[in-house]
Amino acid sequence: DAMVIQNPRYQVTQFGKPVTLSCSQTLNHNVMYWYQQKSSQAPKLLFHYYDKDFNNEADTPDNFQSRRPNTSFCFLDIRSPGLGDAAMYLCATSTGTGYEQYFGPGTRLTVT
Amino acid sequence: ILNVEQSPQSLHVQEGDSTNFTCSFPSSNFYALHWYRWETAKSPEALFVMTLNGDEKKKGRISATLNTKEGYSYLYIKGSQPEDSATYLCASKAAGNKLTFGGGTRVLVKP
Repeated sequence: DAMVIQNPRYQVTQFGKPVTLSCSQTLNHNVMYWYQQKSSQAPKLLFHYYDKDFNNEADTPDNFQSRRPNTSFCFLDIRSPGLGDAAMYLCATSTGTGYEQYFGPGTRLTVT
Repeated sequence: ILNVEQSPQSLHVQEGDSTNFTCSFPSSNFYALHWYRWETAKSPEALFVMTLNGDEKKKGRISATLNTKEGYSYLYIKGSQPEDSATYLCASKAAGNKLTFGGGTRVLVKP
């Protein structure tokens, strides 16, 4: 089945130690998104790619970076994780912005 | 309304009972309203995408209505079952803008 895959499902990292979360899709969608969700809050869009075009949200901290080497893969890099970056990170895809989004199961990040 | 707001934040429903909850969103420059169901340990799954005022959509026992003039949508679950237990997220898109999510309504159906 076509799907959005996120690895790992759970990630523990140390304060200040760089960490990379990965997302892959078999849907061949143009758009890939990264969301951060903290407990009981709304998922917050960090950035998205439309094909190779990177779109950063204005309030996304510089500590968060992203790479999309090809259509299928997208990575979220947190350069120096702080305790406040502990959250669920969701990857999603869509055929175009504003269209129905297809989500991965998320990666829950713990920062110790 | 500047943000997307969902109420209640959580609710408990007895198995077999029907329930509904609300999503409020900015009505200006409205483009689309999405509903997603997010079961624990699974991926959020799209339920509906609605665009027109007065839209009503249905999938099994779950249905949704849309009022774009006043900026709200209701999601209804008829005859709740334990498998309906999930967080239900709505998200609104204004023209030219990104999808903005609400905080979700967590539904727990008690057998």
